Amino acid sequence: DTGVSQDPRHKITKRGQNVTFRCDPISEHNRLYWYRQTLGQGPEFLTYFQNEAQLEKSRLLSDRFSAERPKGSFSTLEIQRTEQGDSAMYLCASSLEGTVYGYTFGSGTRLTVV
Amino acid sequence: AQKITQTQPGMFVQEKEAVTLDCTYDTSDQSYGLFWYKQPSSGEMIFLIYQGSYDEQNATEGRYSLNFQKARKSANLVISASQLGDSAMYFCAMRGFSGGSNYKLTFGKGTLLTVNP
Repeated sequence: DTGVSQDPRHKITKRGQNVTFRCDPISEHNRLYWYRQTLGQGPEFLTYFQNEAQLEKSRLLSDRFSAERPKGSFSTLEIQRTEQGDSAMYLCASSLEGTVYGYTFGSGTRLTVV
Repeated sequence: AQKITQTQPGMFVQEKEAVTLDCTYDTSDQSYGLFWYKQPSSGEMIFLIYQGSYDEQNATEGRYSLNFQKARKSANLVISASQLGDSAMYFCAMRGFSGGSNYKLTFGKGTLLTVNP
């Protein structure tokens, strides 16, 4: 297994455009998380999936954000009508239910909105 | 709810010396876990070490050890024999096991460690 993969690594977009990021978790992990990390801050929780069900969304996730995990495999995070404040690193992580510290993070997608 | 405080925005250490990165936490959970992650400039979060709140011994993983003082709510990371490759951001994080959202990690703001040759 090659770990958690995120694509793209970098994305530059114009304000108002839509963007979509993809995360491929470790295959046997049934839990998947999205975090956002702005400059000078630690990652902040955005949303959580157990298998294909989205069980929690942070209030940080405005109506312009949507996440999916069809069939409990890969996940996508879409941002509609991007704003400059959306510029951040978007990190995906996965874990296996029942493990205490088995989080594995991906390398992240760095979004720049110009 | 959990809160992590890392008061050192940046730290410098000479190669081969030891360095301590500070972390204090606050939580209402009786059972919780504390983590340290390393984030190089490439962006990935690399897991370093874990300490459970009921673990009697301080955790160690190679050159990393966690100085856990439960009464003081501190979980400092000690890196021994620093190497140039240790230069990175270091994040302290925690996870509470008592509430419904017991899968979330709460992170501090991080400490930028620079190892000088």
